[in-house]
Amino acid sequence: NAGVTQTPKFQVLKTGQSMTLQCAQDMNHNSMYWYRQDPGMGLRLIYYSASEGTTDKGEVPNGYNVSRLNKREFSLRLESAAPSQTSVYFCATQRTLYSNQPQHFGDGTRLSIL
Amino acid sequence: TQLLEQSPQFLSIQEGENLTVYCNSSSVFSSLQWYRQEPGEGPVLLVTVVTGGEVKKLKRLTFQFGDARKDSSLHITAAQPGDTGLYLCAGEDSGGSNYKLTFGKGTLLTVNP
Repeated sequence: NAGVTQTPKFQVLKTGQSMTLQCAQDMNHNSMYWYRQDPGMGLRLIYYSASEGTTDKGEVPNGYNVSRLNKREFSLRLESAAPSQTSVYFCATQRTLYSNQPQHFGDGTRLSIL
Repeated sequence: TQLLEQSPQFLSIQEGENLTVYCNSSSVFSSLQWYRQEPGEGPVLLVTVVTGGEVKKLKRLTFQFGDARKDSSLHITAAQPGDTGLYLCAGEDSGGSNYKLTFGKGTLLTVNP
């Protein structure tokens, strides 16, 4: 019973490198989200996907792109990493948007940009 | 931009003490969720409150949603070391064209044995 699986768990990049963070869920949820968590800033929404085939910007989308590959998978791509993107990234799922249902989080990807 | 202010930001208490964490906003939310996050893990939902004035209890934890649905509180009775963690409130906004689940910055609770 994996729930929400994020890979990799840790990554170090050099400025300018690209990378894709992967997220897969086995909960059959329609909606998926990408957040970043920084000290003193809380969780901030980067992008979300209300359902398969749709994606929308969140609060801090600049520097990121996403792909909802299918119902199970939602990836986050950094095309040209910058030190300001050093953070812990969380993927979350929810049964549907606006459902008052809980979001289920993965254990995060800790990303450092040098 | 909707903001959720959590207070206090840090709290260190002894086992057996009581505590209250606050989550305040000037905006109205359709629901408010409380999560707990432990080091190295993602947040895990504790409770969702939907109705203004609603009170929910989860063992030693009591959650209250303000009458105007702008604020909430979490009260822990007789805190235990296992309660240690980051407590996050999150308000869901059902209005507008874009989805919003706004998180507070969290309260880091340490319960010392």
